Amino acid sequence: DTAVSQTPKYLVTQMGNDKSIKCEQNLGHDTMYWYKQDSKKFLKIMFSYNNKELIINETVPNRFSPKSPDKAHLNLHINSLELGDSAVYFCASSPRSSGRDGAKNIQYFGAGTRLSVL
Amino acid sequence: DAKTTQPPSMDCAEGRAANLPCNHSTISGNEYVYWYRQIHSQGPQYIIHGLKNNETNEMASLIITEDRKSSTLILPHATLRDTAVYYCIALLYGGSQGNLIFGKGTKLSVKP
Repeated sequence: DTAVSQTPKYLVTQMGNDKSIKCEQNLGHDTMYWYKQDSKKFLKIMFSYNNKELIINETVPNRFSPKSPDKAHLNLHINSLELGDSAVYFCASSPRSSGRDGAKNIQYFGAGTRLSVL
Repeated sequence: DAKTTQPPSMDCAEGRAANLPCNHSTISGNEYVYWYRQIHSQGPQYIIHGLKNNETNEMASLIITEDRKSSTLILPHATLRDTAVYYCIALLYGGSQGNLIFGKGTKLSVKP
């Protein structure tokens, strides 16, 4: 069983469309994340949710909206897609995001969703 | 979180030990050092972490200097499958956020 799974793996769409990427983790973790990796390979955090509550929201356009129906899922919805949104999006999870136990902050990543906006 | 500095690239012969350095001279006493790697087109993979003491697991060893200003990740017998970008990250514990800040990392090329 894949611990952190994302769907779809590839997503090709036109500018202006709305799309969603789904993420599920079966590790029983409390915290989930979304990262974006651009064409220059920089990996940057976008959002973090702890037990369905938003705890990190980096400078991301309002067109990006994370939704967490339960703590095992964190979906990413993107409105009005733009060319600059083309990137690989990674979902991750960790037991929890804070605390003195370093092992609790280990993040497990999904395989990524490659989004191409034409 | 403290900034980390790594060489942009390194080569290693297959079967030899790969020693990847990381400088984190501004690290605070409550920041862990984490190592992740990203094999081409895959999601980042956790390798090891440490606070003060040296650590070893089935993947690698982590050597942290006594002053904690630098560390070295050691892959004892590198294989071609270890070719990847390796990231060294300092992460504050005890705070409300656990977001990893990825730098440029070190691109390790293991050659036959």
